[in-house]
Parts: sequence; structure tokens; C-alpha cells
Amino acid sequence: DIVLTQSPVLAVSLGQRATISCRASQSVSISSINLMHWYQQKPGQQPKLLIYRASNLASGIPARFSGSGSGTDFTLTIDPVQADDIAAYYCQQSRESPPTFGAGTKLELK
Amino acid sequence: EVQLVESGGSLVQPGGSLKLSCVASGFTFSNYWMDWVRQTPGKSLEWIGEINTDGSKTNYAPSIKDRFTISRDNAKSTLYLQMSNVKSDDTAIYYCTRRGGYYHAYWFAYWGQGTLVTVSS
Repeated sequence: DIVLTQSPVLAVSLGQRATISCRASQSVSISSINLMHWYQQKPGQQPKLLIYRASNLASGIPARFSGSGSGTDFTLTIDPVQADDIAAYYCQQSRESPPTFGAGTKLELK
Repeated sequence: EVQLVESGGSLVQPGGSLKLSCVASGFTFSNYWMDWVRQTPGKSLEWIGEINTDGSKTNYAPSIKDRFTISRDNAKSTLYLQMSNVKSDDTAIYYCTRRGGYYHAYWFAYWGQGTLVTVSS
């Protein structure tokens, strides 16, 4: 299985930029298609799709969220961070079955 | 509006069985592959399995293979997860998900609110 590695916690100040990384144990790209996706999960809620195929914003997601990366290294950026963004963020790959998720990064306030 | 509503979660004894349901609305259910994903307490997300549009093809995670069965009733816009011989490790919130994209380029576009399964004697 493809293992996705995320840092457990990221502490940021409101109004600053948050950069959340996800590293895959092997490439999750096919040609120019990057099969990495990002989800946000607030306490007590289900995960919500933020970014698909590495850099495409899901419907209704604010433009302060963005994604980048290819191959094995991917980044989710939130700029500027707002109070409503305090949550856990998960990356997920669909390059190979089974699809796998990272362990999540908890975004906390400094 | 896409809605996925799971039900059927409860307390079940080790070795027991349980059937979860997920009623879909707001889209043409029969056009989409569907998946079940679970989240164990304090841990990350784990894909359980998938089913194709007409229910003729399923795939499962190795950790649950031969114990769980995914099925669907397109006439009722309902997805099912039949769980058997459950273990304590199966304690989790179970989410029904609808895909976006196609083939390998898919993602879990919509999630239900989840249903809690607790395995304990």
C-alpha cells in the first residue's frame, strides 16, 4: 500500500499562512495527473473535500485554500488562516488500490 | 443537494453481525461508484471497499476481506455494508461516500454524517 506521511500538528497564528505537507512512499502521479486529494474534518463532523487532483478547489471552498505538488510531495496551503479553519486535514491518494489516507495534520492556534 | 444518510450502527458483540445502510439523494445514485470509509477513535481514515454502478463488481481492503460485503439497491438509492464476524478493531465511525472523478482519478466528493459501530462484549 502507498503510505502517506503528514506531520501530526501545525501551530499557526490567525491571519498567517499555514503550509501542510504530505509525502507519499511512491509517486501518486500518472503523466500530468496528480492523484492526491485533501480533506478537512472539524470535530464531530464528517470529512469534507477541499482539493482534488492536487490543485483543484472543490465546489464552495474559499480561495484561501490552495494545493500544489507532484510525484511524492504535496502541499495544502491556507492563506490567510481564519478561526473557522481550525480542524484536521487529511491527504488521500487514488493512484493505487487500496486508496490510502495520511494520518492527518491538526491545525492549532499559536 | 447531495445527501448521504447512514444508519444501522450500534453495539455488537465480537463475532456478531450488523448491516449498515446509506440512503442517497440529490443525485442519480445508479451513475456513481460508491465506497465505505471508516474512522477509528482517535485515528485516521481507512478505506473499506467499493462497489461499481450496477453492483456487479466490488473490491475490499485486505483487513476486512471475506468478513464484510458491500451491496446496493439502485431502485432504492441505498448502499449497504453487511458486517460479519466483527472484531474489536472494527469499532469505528462508518462513512458512506460518493465519488467524484473517474477511473484512477477519483476522490471522495461527498460524505455522510457517519454511523457508529461499537464492538464489545
